[in-house]
Amino acid sequence: GIQVEQSPPDLILQEGANSTLRCNFSDSVNNLQWFHQNPWGQLINLFYIPSGTKQNGRLSATTVATERYSLLYISSSQTTDSGVYFCAVEYRQGGKLIFGQGTELSVKP
Amino acid sequence: SAVISQKPSRDICQRGTSLTIQCQVDSQVTMMFWYRQQPGQSLTLIATANQGSEATYESGFVIDKFPISRPNLTFSTLTVSNMSPEDSSIYLCSVGTGVAFFGQGTRLTVV
Repeated sequence: GIQVEQSPPDLILQEGANSTLRCNFSDSVNNLQWFHQNPWGQLINLFYIPSGTKQNGRLSATTVATERYSLLYISSSQTTDSGVYFCAVEYRQGGKLIFGQGTELSVKP
Repeated sequence: SAVISQKPSRDICQRGTSLTIQCQVDSQVTMMFWYRQQPGQSLTLIATANQGSEATYESGFVIDKFPISRPNLTFSTLTVSNMSPEDSSIYLCSVGTGVAFFGQGTRLTVV
């Protein structure tokens, strides 16, 4: 089956720093999404981004489908950005998502 | 977007018992998905629930252990049966065949 790999697994930042999270996938996919899981377990959809670049405030994402990777950029990080960031791909039709192992981000004040 | 209400938000259960988790969506959806997140791990799909048909289970998950109901287009339940400590996880329901939305999750601890 398809492999979804995220890097780095852990990241500690000082507030105000920028970061880049990466997601590699081993086969063609229908779409790719980025999620943020807060400390209470809630999953929030950040981006639906099968290809191209999108921006939402301090966050932006780029997916290069032909090269099978996606990047999530966080600029001017805040303590509220802490949590786990997951990328997930829809590999076959039907909405089933396959998740990467996540990047745990900790932003220190 | 979709608003998903999941209940209970957390529970502590005795081994050998069963827990039913409810998922209510604010709009009609064809498919609902149930995921499990074991401690410190990523999310794994348990099954896909379509209204009016049997749920489709992923490899490693069986109906006897995780029976699912889907009585209408806005509601589904997942039961975790004959629980053991290994079932301690967060269980999440999800909707959306494009952009995916998740309920707040049910944090289950089995003692």
